[in-house]
Amino acid sequence: EAGVAQSPRYKIIEKRQSVAFWCNPISGHATLYWYQQILGQGPKLLIQFQNNGVVDDSQLPKDRFSAERLKGVDSTLKIQPAKLEDSAVYLCASSPLLVSSYNEQFFGPGTRLTVL
Amino acid sequence: AQTVTQSQPEMSVQEAETVTLSCTYDTSESDYYLFWYKQPPSRQMILVIRQEAYKQQNATENRFSVNFQKAAKSFSLKISDSQLGDAAMYFCAYRSANRDDKIIFGKGTRLHILP
Repeated sequence: EAGVAQSPRYKIIEKRQSVAFWCNPISGHATLYWYQQILGQGPKLLIQFQNNGVVDDSQLPKDRFSAERLKGVDSTLKIQPAKLEDSAVYLCASSPLLVSSYNEQFFGPGTRLTVL
Repeated sequence: AQTVTQSQPEMSVQEAETVTLSCTYDTSESDYYLFWYKQPPSRQMILVIRQEAYKQQNATENRFSVNFQKAAKSFSLKISDSQLGDAAMYFCAYRSANRDDKIIFGKGTRLHILP
């Protein structure tokens, strides 16, 4: 079974530029998460989708960050314009939607963003 | 709001020895999950072990075991017979039992294995 795919693995941009990250979850997984991991900290949830609907985006800085999950499969996370403090690893995770209360989240390799 | 605290930013252990990583958490919920994740330099977050709060028995996965103290809100990870491949960041994490709720991570402990 293929894992969660993310691209690119690395991205370096100037502040005020735009950037987009892509995530392809495990086939059949209904729930998709985007986490931001700043250096020296644990990941923090930015947005959670269930199929193509948003479940939780309470910690997404909506003035500059946006995310979509068209057709309930792939997802893109965009930052426009980027700030220095957006430098971080952006992790995508997915989980199946099962009857039980526990659905394991599977993580992708992340995209390391550096904003200069 | 739930919080997860890891008070050890870095730890070192000799190869083949045993090491314990500490974690405390705060919650008002009675039903939840606790996790330890491993993140090697490749950045891939890997689930090491999971504990359901309603289970009194401590979870074990091969060389990895936990000491879950629900009343004290403590959840430590013991790694026995440490191997070079265990070197990584280890994150303690919490998730409500509400289906598909988000995971809340601690700041992590970097584990070094000394040959």
